This record gives sequence, structure tokens and C-alpha cells, in this order.
Amino acid sequence: AQKVTQAQTEISVVEKEDVTLDCVYETRDTTYYLFWYKQPPSGELVFLIRRNSFDEQNEISGRYSWNFQKSTSSFNFTITASQVVDSAVYFCALSEEIDFGNEKLTFGTGTRLTIIP
Amino acid sequence: DAGVTQSPTHLIKTRGQQVTLRCSPKSGHDTVSWYQQALGQGPQFIFQYYEEEERQRGNFPDRFSGHQFPNYSSELNVNALLLGDSALYLCASSSGLAGIETQYFGPGTRLLVL
Repeated sequence: AQKVTQAQTEISVVEKEDVTLDCVYETRDTTYYLFWYKQPPSGELVFLIRRNSFDEQNEISGRYSWNFQKSTSSFNFTITASQVVDSAVYFCALSEEIDFGNEKLTFGTGTRLTIIP
Repeated sequence: DAGVTQSPTHLIKTRGQQVTLRCSPKSGHDTVSWYQQALGQGPQFIFQYYEEEERQRGNFPDRFSGHQFPNYSSELNVNALLLGDSALYLCASSSGLAGIETQYFGPGTRLLVL
């Protein structure tokens, strides 16, 4: 069975500090996808990034960067120079392709990030 | 380009009642998935609909049922409501044609069962 662990329940940092959110996953499949979503207080999950298991290149998008390491089954998310608007709950999710088509997402329990002005 | 929409935004019911939640997928998407998110938890997969059929189901009882219409919109029905059904219900849409596609979520329906 697949599993996603986000050990950090809550993190608070002062604005402009860098912060890293950890994600560790478990799966028996060789083909899988990893995602990060942001959930602001409004409740809607906002898609941030998707990576497949064959692409271990790190990715940077503005102040956001992601570090995917298959050797440690981790997919960590770093926000550089944090801003108050980054305050939200962040979820890491895993999807396995069991058969053709879209498969379910398995989410971690989320990390609540608070940026202090 | 309209995103995923859900209705209603909030709902209050009493135990034993039945509820229907609605979802319209993002334009161009044909697959709808439903998730339940209890307070302080991550979303849990309920089921997924594609071509008007339930394609996958999570670990939820038969009290949870759904439907997908020819225009790809979907309904989630919950019968015999329990207090534990109080949660945020999220709908996600995606394209079912080409392997794993990114799921885009709606704003959710907050259900409170008293």
C-alpha cells in the first residue's frame, strides 16, 4: 500500500526566511507520480507541481524549489524568501498507475506553514 | 476558462438525513474524483468517475454513492448521515485519456452533521 508521511505538523518562520517542507513516501511500484498542493484558508487545493518517478531532476519555479530523491523516497519542498502569502497548509501526494487512466491520490496529513510578518 | 465548481459551499444536516453534493469539472476534463477531508487531516479518496461509470473506489461504505452525467458533471450522495461524515468534500477533475494526469480541485463543500 502506498503511504505519504509529512512529519512536520506545523512550522512558523519569520518573513523572508527560507523554509523546507519534508515529504517521505512509500510505494512498491516503479512508476508513480508525486505532487504538492497548497491549501489556503479558503479550502481549495491549489496544484503546485507534479513529478514522475523517472525524473529526479530538481525543479525551481520562482521562490519555490523541489528536491526529489528516490534513494531516500523523499520529495521535499523549499520556499525561499518566504512571504506572508505563503501561509497555508501544504500537502504532498502520491499517485500510482494501477491501470490505464487516472488513479487516486494518496495524501499526507499536511504541514501548516505560518509566515510571521 | 472556468475551473472546478462545487455546490453548495456549506451545508448543515442532521444525523440520518441524506445529502447530495454537486461538482462541475474544469473545461476539457472528463474525469471526476471525490475526496473527504476531515478537520486537520489530508484528503481521503472516495471514488472516481469516468464515462459515467465508477472506475475506482476508496475505503468508504456503500452509504457513499455517486453519479456522473453526460456533460461530465458529478454528484456525491451520502445516505444515513453520521456525525463522522462532517468534513470538507472536495471534487477534483482531470483528463482521463493519457495516463496519470494532474487533478485540479474545486473549493469544496463543508458539510456539518448535527
